[in-house]
Amino acid sequence: GAVVSQHPSRVICKSGTSVKIECRSLDFQATTMFWYRQFPKQSLMLMATSNEGSKATYEQGVEKDKFLINHASLTLSTLTVTSAHPEDSSFYICSARGMGMSVQETQYFGPGTRLLVL
Amino acid sequence: SQQGEEDPQALSIQEGENATMNCSYKTSINNLQWYRQNSGRGLVHLILIRSNEREKHSGRLRVTLDTSKKSSSLLITASRAADTASYFCATDAENTGNQFYFGTGTSLTVIP
Repeated sequence: GAVVSQHPSRVICKSGTSVKIECRSLDFQATTMFWYRQFPKQSLMLMATSNEGSKATYEQGVEKDKFLINHASLTLSTLTVTSAHPEDSSFYICSARGMGMSVQETQYFGPGTRLLVL
Repeated sequence: SQQGEEDPQALSIQEGENATMNCSYKTSINNLQWYRQNSGRGLVHLILIRSNEREKHSGRLRVTLDTSKKSSSLLITASRAADTASYFCATDAENTGNQFYFGTGTSLTVIP
């Protein structure tokens, strides 16, 4: 159980376009989802925390107008990279924490989405 | 930044040897977790150790936690070529909405 999927797994887009990445919890309801970014050979950096039905909380230095997060249901959160530029090229990973899971429960990670902006 | 640090950044060993990676973090935590990531892939959860635990085992993995020093170590015994990957610690900090902050990672290469 506790499977998280992401779609698409890989996307290439032109500079200036917007890209939407979906994160779904397949077999549990996720009250909280997290979005991370990982540049090559670097660690995962938390971008934002999203709770179902409320606005996302962004980490310092992350532009909320550029990275739009919507967590409209208990099984789906989306990250939209608006007006993408080559420097936004990265590996984007989401994770989810389920309803009823204790604070000591782990997060469940999606397989990641590789974004390449040309 | 709440990101932790890991050392070494890179480690290369012969198959059969043990590999030890260390993680240091900055704030009080609820728990600490270790993850593995193969190149360009998602994360695989290895082990969770709670703040009131000092040592935990899972197969060939042994994790220790020293909250007084804010550090943890991951030991992989009898390493295999298939253990080649990056290893990250992640801390679930107190009073932060349970976000995870990842360490800088250790890149492990096991030479057959």
